[in-house]
Amino acid sequence: EAAVTQSPRNKVTVTGGNVTLSCRQTNSHNYMYWYRQDTGHGLRLIHYSYGAGNLQIGDVPDGYKATRTTQEDFFLLLELASPSQTSLYFCASSAGPQDTQYFGPGTRLLVL
Amino acid sequence: GDSVTQTEGQVTVSESKSLIINCTYSATSIAYPNLFWYVRYPGEGLQLLLKVITAGQKGSSRGFEATYNKETTSFHLQKASVQESDSAVYYCALSPDTNAYKVIFGKGTHLHVLP
Repeated sequence: EAAVTQSPRNKVTVTGGNVTLSCRQTNSHNYMYWYRQDTGHGLRLIHYSYGAGNLQIGDVPDGYKATRTTQEDFFLLLELASPSQTSLYFCASSAGPQDTQYFGPGTRLLVL
Repeated sequence: GDSVTQTEGQVTVSESKSLIINCTYSATSIAYPNLFWYVRYPGEGLQLLLKVITAGQKGSSRGFEATYNKETTSFHLQKASVQESDSAVYYCALSPDTNAYKVIFGKGTHLHVLP
């Protein structure tokens, strides 16, 4: 059974729209991460968290908010979506900062 | 800055042939980075294929292997005989040994194995 799940798997919205991407992990991990991947680029870290209520800024945070409501759940929020946020989004979790990260299957977002 | 370069966006190999996927890294702020290969099969998330944390060492998994070469700053992925089921996207990555949550990924190489 998949330990990191993401929903939705695909999403289409319009410019200015409000989007929430969800991630749930059943690994009992403390750390969770949101990445985006664009053609020609590696995965880039948007935000991460080391526990419920905690949020840390990653390398490409502009235009994104995130919230960690429980140890299991980490949400990525796009409040005014723009076409530049069209991307493939991955969530991941790890037990600690130096432990292997386990990834979800990704959410493909298209902003028209 | 720190970076990972995978020069091939796509590689096509016939089944049973050998494979090499190139990866070089630049770790200007990290003396001894940890090096990884991740794989993403269709419809799935990335999963760790192998990890090497010591220069000069070789990691291996599922018939794949990669050697951490500090002199040439390379970590090429090799397999002697590929199978159709190896078709996937392969990502080379590095992280600082002291701040290992921060993983820097290459852009990925899409491997197509022809039957």
